[in-house]
Amino acid sequence: GQNIDQPTEMTATEGAIVQINCTYQTSGFNGLFWYQQHAGEAPTFLSYNVLDGLEEKGRFSSFLSRSKGYSYLLLKELQMKDSASYLCAVRSNDYKLSFGAGTTVTVRA
Amino acid sequence: EAGVAQSPRYKIIEKRQSVAFWCNPISGHATLYWYQQILGQGPKLLIQFQNNGVVDDSQLPKDRFSAERLKGVDSTLKIQPAKLEDSAVYLCASSALRGVIYEQYFGPGTRLTVT
Repeated sequence: GQNIDQPTEMTATEGAIVQINCTYQTSGFNGLFWYQQHAGEAPTFLSYNVLDGLEEKGRFSSFLSRSKGYSYLLLKELQMKDSASYLCAVRSNDYKLSFGAGTTVTVRA
Repeated sequence: EAGVAQSPRYKIIEKRQSVAFWCNPISGHATLYWYQQILGQGPKLLIQFQNNGVVDDSQLPKDRFSAERLKGVDSTLKIQPAKLEDSAVYLCASSALRGVIYEQYFGPGTRLTVT
């Protein structure tokens, strides 16, 4: 099974940087995903890591350390529209996704 | 391309009533998932289909929940009878191979309130 932990809430100022950590324990690892979910909407795909290291995509970056069971999502140059819940999800070898409870990020002016 | 479609978007029922949700995945996506997302929690997988066959339904409460995917395209999820604790958003997702990512695309969800 999977055990996925991430902080419940984070608050940051517009233009700042926020790092959302995710730790996991898994019985079979086949990739880690980050999804963004605005209130009342569906999760949308942000990033994917399967090898150790940093993946950068515009203002968003995601890092993975498989040996430590650790990932983070880095949001740079925060904008008001980045206020949302960020879900860490681990995929197992059978291609099933297990989600963390999500981190609610609030961006303040 | 069109996204994953779900209906209805909202449903309010009384406990012990029945309800059904419908999902139309992205065209060509062979794999379809139903998730339950309770407020403040991440989505929890209920059932996974590959074409019209069930791959995993280990977390589906089979005494009250059922799902089918006829002809390997649309899917319905039914709850009969509903309980208060079934109040949640029911998300449908589909996936197909894209490079090596095999990401899931989610529909807008159906928000169910059981009173």
